[in-house]
Amino acid sequence: AQSVTQLDSHVSVSEGTPVLLRCNYSSSYSPSLFWYVQHPNKGLQLLLKYTSAATLVKGINGFEAEFKKSETSFHLTKPSAHMSDAAEYFCVVSDRGTGTALIFGKGTTLSVSS
Amino acid sequence: GAGVSQSPRYKVAKRGQDVALRCDPISGHVSLFWYQQALGQGPEFLTYFQNEAQLDKSGLPSDRFFAERPEGSVSTLKIQRTQQEDSAVYLCASALAVGQGIGNTIYFGEGSWLTVV
Repeated sequence: AQSVTQLDSHVSVSEGTPVLLRCNYSSSYSPSLFWYVQHPNKGLQLLLKYTSAATLVKGINGFEAEFKKSETSFHLTKPSAHMSDAAEYFCVVSDRGTGTALIFGKGTTLSVSS
Repeated sequence: GAGVSQSPRYKVAKRGQDVALRCDPISGHVSLFWYQQALGQGPEFLTYFQNEAQLDKSGLPSDRFFAERPEGSVSTLKIQRTQQEDSAVYLCASALAVGQGIGNTIYFGEGSWLTVV
């Protein structure tokens, strides 16, 4: 069965410093992996996704993630945090065998202080 | 419309009441999903439609939950005899095609917030 584990429930950074949100996955098949962001009272927005092309995936708003099969990780990074990055972030896996249901992690709350 | 639209945005139901939540997917989208997001948790899959066919309902928590998409566009999630544990945000999502191919992005609505009192 496929699953994701987000290693931190809450991450706090200062504006202008790097962001690292950690995610480990478990999948029986070659997975598709995603990061979604959810701002308060807003819908989920796709940041980026990995589907077996390049292992370093660039997304919107300066975020990127690297797929590391040997470590079963898909950590999300950004070189310099902005106040508007404060939100809930979800690491998500999809079993390519079915290609339908997305399986979400429990989320990481990112706080950005000035 | 430009995005996935859900209504009502907020619903307070008395325990035992039936509720119906509506989802208008992006026009032309084949795939439609419903997810349930409890407070402080990630969304959990409920059910999936490909056009009007409900291909996967493995995530529906009980037989009180029922979803339909009769004409392959608008979908309704119905919860009968609501219980307090049904309180959650119900998210609808749609995608143009089927599967998780590189070009097939899933778009989420803003959700319907259900509170059962």
